[in-house]
Amino acid sequence: KAGVTQTPRYLIKTRGQQVTLSCSPISGHRSVSWYQQTPGQGLQFLFEYFSETQRNKGNFPGRFSGRQFSNSRSEMNVSTLELGDSALYLCASRGGTNEKLFFGSGTQLSVL
Amino acid sequence: KQEVTQIPAALSVPEGENLVLNCSFTDSAIYNLQWFRQDPGKGLTSLLLIQSSQREQTSGRLNASLDKSSGRSTLYIAASQPGDSATYLCAENSGGSNYKLTFGKGTLLTVNP
Repeated sequence: KAGVTQTPRYLIKTRGQQVTLSCSPISGHRSVSWYQQTPGQGLQFLFEYFSETQRNKGNFPGRFSGRQFSNSRSEMNVSTLELGDSALYLCASRGGTNEKLFFGSGTQLSVL
Repeated sequence: KQEVTQIPAALSVPEGENLVLNCSFTDSAIYNLQWFRQDPGKGLTSLLLIQSSQREQTSGRLNASLDKSSGRSTLYIAASQPGDSATYLCAENSGGSNYKLTFGKGTLLTVNP
């Protein structure tokens, strides 16, 4: 069974641009969540999607948004990039309420 | 606001030693708690998941405990090996079925041959 796949693996953008990250969950998993990881703040929850609906959202500005498609694949978008958005963005999927989260390898975003 | 604290921030041990990593959390309404391992530049690998109704979980050389009343969890690693070297993170879920994990900053473990 293939794991959680995130693309691209690395991204370099400049301030003010926007970026879209993609996540394909494990087959059969309907829940996809996104996390931001930085050396200073550690791992922080961004949002979770289930069956195309956002169920939970972390404390991030509106520049951060996401969506989920009918095949459970998810995208995350960050608009008007700031230097502080440089981070490792991790996507995770799970199959049920009491099940473990499975993480992808992440997308390393650098904002110059 | 939920907070998760992990102590120590870094730990270096000789191969073969048994060790304990600590995690404390502030939210008594915890739904479950997970321990993860992260290798440099990689994503997270789930090690153990403990439901709020459970006291411990075991997988191979790993044993995780959960004490809701004291707000603490421990990860015990038996007979440590150099391949165990990684950052270990604990995360509590207080969002119920709407999964929302709050992570600690992690413990960087180095096992020396």
